[in-house]
Amino acid sequence: DAGVIQSPRHEVTEMGQEVTLRCKPISGHDYLFWYRQTMMRGLELLIYFNNNVPIDDSGMPEDRFSAKMPNASFSTLKIQPSEPRDSAVYFCASRLGGIYQETQYFGPGTRLLVL
Amino acid sequence: QKEVEQDPGPLSVPEGAIVSLNCTYSNSAFQYFMWYRQYSRKGPELLMYTYSSGNKEDGRFTAQVDKSSKYISLFIRDSQPSDSATYLCAIRNSGNTPLVFGKGTRLSVIA
Repeated sequence: DAGVIQSPRHEVTEMGQEVTLRCKPISGHDYLFWYRQTMMRGLELLIYFNNNVPIDDSGMPEDRFSAKMPNASFSTLKIQPSEPRDSAVYFCASRLGGIYQETQYFGPGTRLLVL
Repeated sequence: QKEVEQDPGPLSVPEGAIVSLNCTYSNSAFQYFMWYRQYSRKGPELLMYTYSSGNKEDGRFTAQVDKSSKYISLFIRDSQPSDSATYLCAIRNSGNTPLVFGKGTRLSVIA
């Protein structure tokens, strides 16, 4: 398996522009997570899905952030409009369901820089 | 008080040293304790997983959980330059709740 795939790997954009980050989880995984990582705040959970349904989006910082999972093999995280403080590394992760399935597999991340 | 506290370091040790990395947590309901390793410009990878209290050993790595003190540790014996990475503790309670991550400790092992 190719693992969790994220695109783009790097994104540089200007303040006010729309940014769309994409994720393909590992086939067969029931859970998908979106994280944001910064030096100041560490790794923060933004939102997670179970079987394509959003379960908890309390970590989404503002209405400018939205996430969708239209099917089991694809998810997007959108920021509109983007701001410089959104600059961070965004990770997608997936795992199997079941209480003993502890391993979350992370993608390589998308490095976002908003100028 | 944050749910999980972790000293961000950085921590620099000579090759062959014993390394101790630690986290404290506030929620006594936490039952699953994990350590993730993150190399520079990569995503985190699961290194060790412990359920409830006790020790778990895997090669040069030992994970320790003290639920009475709400304190978890990761020990690395005979540290190697290839161990240089950021180590994140991750904790959760029962059911399918999401992980809560510490901020990570950046470790450098100098040859």
